[in-house]
Amino acid sequence: QVQLQESGPGLVKPSQTLSLTCAVSGASVSTGNYYWSWIRQPAGGGLEWIGRIYNTESTKYNPSLESRVTISADTSKNQFSLMLNSVTAADSAVYYCARGLLKFDSWGQGSLVTVSS
Amino acid sequence: EIVLTQSPGTLSLSPGERATLSCRASQSITNNYLAWYQQKLGQAPRLLIYGVSIRVAGIPDRFSGSGSETDFSLTISRLEPEDFAVYYCQQYGGSPPYIFGQGTKLEIK
Repeated sequence: QVQLQESGPGLVKPSQTLSLTCAVSGASVSTGNYYWSWIRQPAGGGLEWIGRIYNTESTKYNPSLESRVTISADTSKNQFSLMLNSVTAADSAVYYCARGLLKFDSWGQGSLVTVSS
Repeated sequence: EIVLTQSPGTLSLSPGERATLSCRASQSITNNYLAWYQQKLGQAPRLLIYGVSIRVAGIPDRFSGSGSETDFSLTISRLEPEDFAVYYCQQYGGSPPYIFGQGTKLEIK
């Protein structure tokens, strides 16, 4: 059974870079069977797909965030990471990592990130 | 960009009643790439149904999905207390490739 676990700072200052990591167990991020995505949810809000990585190198991002987002993978640690730069308060949200191709069948428990000085 | 509009925003029902949640797409969704998720407070979303009507293993058969092209629905035949949550539809395809509806909150009447 695949498990995903997000980790990273819960507080980021405006204009700085948000960095989160998703540790994966029970599946490999390096095989080409799945996409590995980041999704976020502001407090009381809906779900927004941020981007995905496939086969450790192929990435695709939401056009609304593409200029600020980088997703990468570390096969030695079986994890993938999110970097979002130039953050503002609007980037405050619960950030989820998830596995899926056409839909998301496994999710991490979420990591709350607050952007505030 | 496809927009998914869920209705109603909030649905108030009692246990034992039937719930029908709607998800309408601004463009036709191809290849049945439509999924439904349940999210309880403080938890991650959980995949219930994909391919419009395929239930994930372990999901009770009181949950069913239907629809085509632009109109889809999730039906819960007889509500159990644990079913009260927020439900999201999600489509795959286009740009960005994953779009979620804004959610329907199913609350106890």
